[in-house]
Amino acid sequence: ETGVTQSPTHLIKTRGQQVTLRCSSQSGHNTVSWYQQALGQGPQFIFQYYREEENGRGNFPPRFSGLQFPNYSSELNVNALELDDSALYLCASSPGLAGGTGELFFGEGSRLTVL
Amino acid sequence: AQTVTQSQPEMSVQEAETVTLSCTYDTSESNYYLFWYKQPPSRQMILVIRQEAYKQQNATENRFSVNFQKAAKSFSLKISDSQLGDTAMYFCAFMKHWVNAGNMLTFGGGTRLMVKP
Repeated sequence: ETGVTQSPTHLIKTRGQQVTLRCSSQSGHNTVSWYQQALGQGPQFIFQYYREEENGRGNFPPRFSGLQFPNYSSELNVNALELDDSALYLCASSPGLAGGTGELFFGEGSRLTVL
Repeated sequence: AQTVTQSQPEMSVQEAETVTLSCTYDTSESNYYLFWYKQPPSRQMILVIRQEAYKQQNATENRFSVNFQKAAKSFSLKISDSQLGDTAMYFCAFMKHWVNAGNMLTFGGGTRLMVKP
């Protein structure tokens, strides 16, 4: 069974640029959520996708957007990058909404640095 | 909105000893999950233990156990027989538990645990 994989692992961008981060969910999982973890802080929920539809969004501006594909993999897009967007971006998958144990399975994250 | 507070930014413990990490939360929900996740330097969040709010019995998982006090909104993690591999950031997290709630976790700020040889 393949776990959650994210790419790229590290990337550096300059202010104003756009970035796309990718996530492959664990086999059998149809729900993907994204979290932003600033250095030294706990992760914050960005949004969640369930069966290709956004299903819940945290307090993030519209320049944070996403997609989920028919194979349940997902992308996080951030436009007009700001210095404060520098963070570890975590993807997590689960087998459905509020079902089972509630456990999320996390990837190792993508470390974004904005200069 | 839910909030989760971890009041201990850093803790240390000697190998083989016991340590307790604190967590308090605030919510108006009656049905929810509470979790402790571990984040080692590899960055991947790993579930340590979970508790369903409707269950009065405290969850245990090998060397890890919780003290869940629902009325006090407290959820502490006890690690017994600490091992060097327990060195990591530990996050307390909250999730609503009802249909269509989604799987949004609200995390605390974390406690950095160092296990010393």
